[in-house]
Amino acid sequence: EAQVTQNPRYLITVTGKKLTVTCSQNMNHEYMSWYRQDPGLGLRQIYYSMNVEVTDKGDVPEGYKVSRKEKRNFPLILESPSPNQTSLYFCASSLGKTQYFGPGTRLLVL
Amino acid sequence: AQTVTQSQPEMSVQEAETVTLSCTYDTSESDYYLFWYKQPPSRQMILVIRQEAYKQQNATENRFSVNFQKAAKSFSLKISDSQLGDAAMYFCAYRRPDKIIFGKGTRLHILP
Repeated sequence: EAQVTQNPRYLITVTGKKLTVTCSQNMNHEYMSWYRQDPGLGLRQIYYSMNVEVTDKGDVPEGYKVSRKEKRNFPLILESPSPNQTSLYFCASSLGKTQYFGPGTRLLVL
Repeated sequence: AQTVTQSQPEMSVQEAETVTLSCTYDTSESDYYLFWYKQPPSRQMILVIRQEAYKQQNATENRFSVNFQKAAKSFSLKISDSQLGDAAMYFCAYRRPDKIIFGKGTRLHILP
């Protein structure tokens, strides 16, 4: 089944404790992206990747890192999480014009 | 800069009735894509409908259709015969090569 998977789906952590949210797609898509969703703000892009080893900042990259060492995986790294990074995170991938979204990761930073 | 505006934060419609969600966008591009996504309580992002800007014909998917007015930069979503399962947050989105830009969403309530 073609899909985008994210892990974990739910995470509670404390300020400053490094964490990684994984994203994987099995559709051989070149483009992958991370978004965060906050109430009243819609979805905002954090980082995106046009292909392996090609990443670029989106609208809200501060406090986040990404890597794209292989086509199927695009992890999101929070080196030192802060409470303002509490949010719902979505990974997405696409080959053509339509993006396919993962199920979301709900993160709470205390 | 491209922006997407959804002017209705919340709407309600009676079951079986028709409702239209509005969306306007701003762009200087001539070729682009527009989308409506549905986000039910499960939080999953589900593609509802897609419109290519170069196509004059409005896209239709079963009970969902759009009214695409390119000159006015308007892209409204019409839901016919509303069902309880249509209750969700709906996001209008504009696609450019590197990203999708989302509106802030319209929460749709279906009244039984």
